[in-house]
Amino acid sequence: NAGVTQTPKFQVLKTGQSMTLQCAQDMNHEYMSWYRQDPGMGLRLIHYSVGAGITDQGEVPNGYNVSRSTTEDFPLRLLSAAPSQTSVYFCASSQTQENTEAFFGQGTRLTVV
Amino acid sequence: AQSVAQPEDQVNVAEGNPLTVKCTYSVSGNPYLFWYVQYPNRGLQFLLKYITGDNLVKGSYGFEAEFNKSQTSFHLKKPSALVSDSALYFCAVRDMWTGGFKTIFGAGTRLFVKA
Repeated sequence: NAGVTQTPKFQVLKTGQSMTLQCAQDMNHEYMSWYRQDPGMGLRLIHYSVGAGITDQGEVPNGYNVSRSTTEDFPLRLLSAAPSQTSVYFCASSQTQENTEAFFGQGTRLTVV
Repeated sequence: AQSVAQPEDQVNVAEGNPLTVKCTYSVSGNPYLFWYVQYPNRGLQFLLKYITGDNLVKGSYGFEAEFNKSQTSFHLKKPSALVSDSALYFCAVRDMWTGGFKTIFGAGTRLFVKA
């Protein structure tokens, strides 16, 4: 099984550019989420989705948009990249029950110059 | 407010010695607690979880964790460390959130096992 697949693995953007980070999972998980990882701060939740057509904001949603048109895919859009968005981004999926563990993609390292 | 604290940025241990990575939490209801490990340039991998029942939870790669409700702690342990255990470890708590639940992660503890 592929699990959770993120693309691209690396990306360099100029300030003001837009881009979409892709995330796909093949485990039929209803719950998907996006995190950013910054040194000394752990993982912070950006957006999450509890199923197709349903999304909501996490702790740090500003500057990011998401949509969930299918169960499998959960893309993250940066509308106008800023240097503060330089980070490593992780997509995760899990079953909807609160006692289930999350499966993570390998991450996207984004640099905004 | 819900929170997770990992008080040590780094833990150093010699190979063959026991290791402990500390975690304390604060949640409003029953805690669902998790440990994840991250190897360089990889995503997080699930190690173990506490949901209910026995306070000592066993997980992957010989790791275990002890849930202590009175101390609100969930420390990760291993009786004999391996060099290959060197990685970044995250404690996490899942709590109810508007519309569902969310996972709150600690800042991470880097484990360094010396041969």
